[in-house]
Amino acid sequence: GAVVSQHPSRVICKSGTSVKIECRSLDFQATTMFWYRQFPKQSLMLMATSNEGSKATYEQGVEKDKFLINHASLTLSTLTVTSAHPEDSSFYICSAALQVNTEAFFGQGTRLTVV
Amino acid sequence: SQKIEQNSEALNIQEGKTATLTCNYTNYSPAYLQWYRQDPGRGPVFLLLIRENEKEKRKERLKVTFDTTLKQSLFHITASQPADSATYLCALPASGGSYIPTFGRGTSLIVHP
Repeated sequence: GAVVSQHPSRVICKSGTSVKIECRSLDFQATTMFWYRQFPKQSLMLMATSNEGSKATYEQGVEKDKFLINHASLTLSTLTVTSAHPEDSSFYICSAALQVNTEAFFGQGTRLTVV
Repeated sequence: SQKIEQNSEALNIQEGKTATLTCNYTNYSPAYLQWYRQDPGRGPVFLLLIRENEKEKRKERLKVTFDTTLKQSLFHITASQPADSATYLCALPASGGSYIPTFGRGTSLIVHP
């Protein structure tokens, strides 16, 4: 299957700083990537859809100025958590699909802890 | 609104038995349904996709059924092994024509040796 690589796997940052998470499709081109957030024992919540060459589409309730998404190439999308606060601590996961209506391939996830 | 329900209680079974997990959905008629496995601290891994015109699908020790009348999918693992212990997520494409997967909360499976 296709491989999606996410980096870093874990990050601890101080409150008020920004953190960038990278998501790469290693062996395929992904026009669209998705960013999810997952709290303990909860389901994956879609945050935004990242579109190569255009603005991301954010889900209702997700602050686009806080969670900046850049999809500059067909193999890389980045999520930047700006001015992070402890309540932003969570597990962030990206995914991509080869085609619509097919299985999604997920990155390894990034555990963000804001102290 | 669309709702996906999976049993939040962990399923504990003995090695060698068949594990059966349930996914129910409401207010929706998806064209397909997917099952993923998620290990602690990792991203989900795709297991099976079953389309609305398929009643059953198999892959090695895995079997998935899809009953569009009951709005339910059953996920079976036969001859379960301790290595099968993980959280299993049910996912459907979001309602409204989007293909973006929407996930249930998942059910934790624990296989005891």
